[in-house]
Amino acid sequence: DTAVSQTPKYLVTQMGNDKSIKCEQNLGHDTMYWYKQDSKKFLKIMFSYNNKELIINETVPNRFSPKSPDKAHLNLHINSLELGDSAVYFCASSHAQGDSYEQYFGPGTRLTVT
Amino acid sequence: DAKTTQPPSMDCAEGRAANLPCNHSTISGNEYVYWYRQIHSQGPQYIIHGLKNNETNEMASLIITEDRKSSTLILPHATLRDTAVYYCIVSGNTPLVFGKGTRLSVIA
Repeated sequence: DTAVSQTPKYLVTQMGNDKSIKCEQNLGHDTMYWYKQDSKKFLKIMFSYNNKELIINETVPNRFSPKSPDKAHLNLHINSLELGDSAVYFCASSHAQGDSYEQYFGPGTRLTVT
Repeated sequence: DAKTTQPPSMDCAEGRAANLPCNHSTISGNEYVYWYRQIHSQGPQYIIHGLKNNETNEMASLIITEDRKSSTLILPHATLRDTAVYYCIVSGNTPLVFGKGTRLSVIA
């Protein structure tokens, strides 16, 4: 059973295109996240949703828009893709933020913008 | 910026214990110490976390000093599959901030 799944695993597209990455978790968690890992391997949080509501929105261009249709899904839409958007994007989930919580990550989506 | 300091790399012989240190001298009273690891080309994997007491689970042990300014993750019998980047993270009710971590290489 896959706990946190992402599709697609690889995404190659051209500059200027609009693309989406989907994430689903079957852990019954309340909170979901998107992280970006760049070529230097730094992993940075982008967004966090709790019960379908945005609770964290780090400094991310507004070309990136998360959408959570329900607690089990958090999709990432990217408009007008740029070369610098090339990275691995990880989805994660956890129980609602509290004093302590562990996050479970998906396998990642490697986005390449040409 | 990450609030922890870890050595950039370590080697460990297969079957031996791997002891990964982490300094977090500015940790606050309500912040936990978390350990995650990332095996090549995979998503990060939660290992263990603790507040002030030592913790043990099926994957590892976490030893936190009494002043909470440092901790050590112990993999009791390292295998080749434990080769990964290990991240020590300090967090309360805030987003996880991943630093550069320690690249552990388990050698046969």
